[in-house]
Amino acid sequence: EIVLTQSPGTLSLSPGERAALSCRASQRISSSYLGWFQQKPGQAPRLLIYGASSRATGIPDRFSGSGSGTDFTLTISRLEPEDFAVYYCQHYGSTSGTFGPGTKVNI
Amino acid sequence: EVQLVQSGAEVKKPGESLKISCKGSGYSFTSYWIGWVRQMPGKGLEWMGIIYPGDSDTRYSPSFQGQVTMSADKSISTAYLQWSSLKASDTAMYYCARADSSRCPEYWGQGTLVTVSS
Repeated sequence: EIVLTQSPGTLSLSPGERAALSCRASQRISSSYLGWFQQKPGQAPRLLIYGASSRATGIPDRFSGSGSGTDFTLTISRLEPEDFAVYYCQHYGSTSGTFGPGTKVNI
Repeated sequence: EVQLVQSGAEVKKPGESLKISCKGSGYSFTSYWIGWVRQMPGKGLEWMGIIYPGDSDTRYSPSFQGQVTMSADKSISTAYLQWSSLKASDTAMYYCARADSSRCPEYWGQGTLVTVSS
């Protein structure tokens, strides 16, 4: 089973700064099956990025995804106050649905 | 508009059975997968498995195989997650999510909080 590791565990930044969140897979995975989700306290997760780099409907262009193989990155170009949340990566597909442990982006 | 509406919060005792629901609307219910995700208090997301309501094809995560049962009633566009004998460790928020052919969970329900306590 593929294991996803996210780093850092917590990221403390200020509004306007750039955030780079890492997701590393224990073995090579297809970019087509890597997603990123945002979860705010008391809310359901929200899909941000699918296929490693495609933004989901309605997601602002300050969110971008990149990477391939075992290393993937979610970048938030300029943090807005509403972006402070927990971010999860997920490897989905016919035989998987594993989530990473999450990265908390703190003010 | 795609919507997934989950059943309300439940409080149960250990050993009791439970079935929670997830009703889809605004799309063809039989053409998309429904996945289930557990989130224990203060913890991260755990993928439980996924069901295709069109033919009830179901794939369980190894951690949840045998622990829960997923089902769907396409006549009422509703998916279910059930337990035959709850444990205190089943206390969690449970989310359903609509997934496309790649199994990417695009749209999420609001969650059902299950509390198991004696």
